[in-house]
Amino acid sequence: AQTVTQSQPEMSVQEAETVTLSCTYDTSESDYYLFWYKQPPSRQMILVIRQEAYKQQNATENRFSVNFQKAAKSFSLKISDSQLGDAAMYFCAYREIGNEKLTFGTGTRLTIIP
Amino acid sequence: NAGVTQTPKFRILKIGQSMTLQCTQDMNHNYMYWYRQDPGMGLKLIYYSVGAGITDKGEVPNGYNVSRSTTEDFPLRLELAAPSQTSVYFCASTLQGARSTEAFFGQGTRLTVV
Repeated sequence: AQTVTQSQPEMSVQEAETVTLSCTYDTSESDYYLFWYKQPPSRQMILVIRQEAYKQQNATENRFSVNFQKAAKSFSLKISDSQLGDAAMYFCAYREIGNEKLTFGTGTRLTIIP
Repeated sequence: NAGVTQTPKFRILKIGQSMTLQCTQDMNHNYMYWYRQDPGMGLKLIYYSVGAGITDKGEVPNGYNVSRSTTEDFPLRLELAAPSQTSVYFCASTLQGARSTEAFFGQGTRLTVV
């Protein structure tokens, strides 16, 4: 079974600074998707960014970018210019092609220090 | 579009009671899922469905049942509620076959069994 590991239960960053959240995963597949979801106190799961494994280029969405290292099975999330609204739980998730189940990591709670 | 709608948002059950968590989506997604999220943990898959009339077990199916009579609806039934089922429940849906399709989540149901 695929596993997703987030080794940082909590992180904090000063407002306007940059923070990187780590994620590693285990799979024998060559084609799959990776996602970062944000869960604010409202509980809503919000997609932050997605990466397709066949694409070598790292995905970016405004202040959010990933460092996808396929050989190392690593998928970290970088948040630049951190804002108070970025405070949330962040979940890394993996999905196989053709098997649409999402496997989640245990999450990283991000605190933004004003 | 309403997206994925879950009801109720909150519920308290007594041990041994039963209830159904409702989930409906209006995006014509074929895949639907039920996850549970325990405090400080990631989401664990309970059941999923690849289309009307087809359901399958996830990681933690014991104590739950599902049905999928229509594309839109995917109710989760708890029989004989136990304190171990105290959790936040999320319904999600996605479209199989479209690359990079994200999963859309409902707002969650916080269930407490006392």
